Amino acid sequence: GQQVMQIPQYQHVQEGEDFTTYCNSSTTLSNIQWYKQRPGGHPVFLIQLVKSGEVKKQKRLTFQFGEAKKNSSLHITATQTTDVGTYFCGVYGQNFVFGPGTRLSVLP
Amino acid sequence: NAGVTQTPKFQVLKTGQSMTLQCAQDMNHNSMYWYRQDPGMGLRLIYYSASEGTTDKGEVPNGYNVSRLNKREFSLRLESAAPSQTSVYFCASSEIGGGYGYTFGSGTRLTVV
Repeated sequence: GQQVMQIPQYQHVQEGEDFTTYCNSSTTLSNIQWYKQRPGGHPVFLIQLVKSGEVKKQKRLTFQFGEAKKNSSLHITATQTTDVGTYFCGVYGQNFVFGPGTRLSVLP
Repeated sequence: NAGVTQTPKFQVLKTGQSMTLQCAQDMNHNSMYWYRQDPGMGLRLIYYSASEGTTDKGEVPNGYNVSRLNKREFSLRLESAAPSQTSVYFCASSEIGGGYGYTFGSGTRLTVV
């Protein structure tokens, strides 16, 4: 079945530092989605990547889809306390599957 | 406000009791889903309904039933609650295929004692 891994599992950064989380699949993906879940909240859709090598930006967030369409990354430049939460990738297999998430904490 | 509405937000059940979690969306989405989220386990799909009139099992369907009442509403029923069903339950909806992302409700925090 579809295997999706995210690394790291946890990341603690000082406010202003950069942060990157990676999503890796065992199979080639048709597309990939990224979500953010604030503590105590619900997942919120951020973006979808479809094309090989695609790069999309949302303010301080940069999303990239790997050339082989088996991995993706989310990079946050100059983290802020509002970036705290868990970041999930989601991919299509037999069903839509979410990765286990990367929990980000930002120390002020 | 447009979105996905779940009720109740919190619930405590005794082992063996039954309950129904309600979900309604007003975005005219065709597909609806029920997920459970447990610490360290991420989001796991319980059941989904690709379109009105259809339902299918997801990754962890045992102990649950669903009803797609109409295009807007998708309910999840626990017939005989067990402590292993203590979790946070999220309902979500999307266009068919989910290509524009899933919209989640705010969740139901269920404790079975």
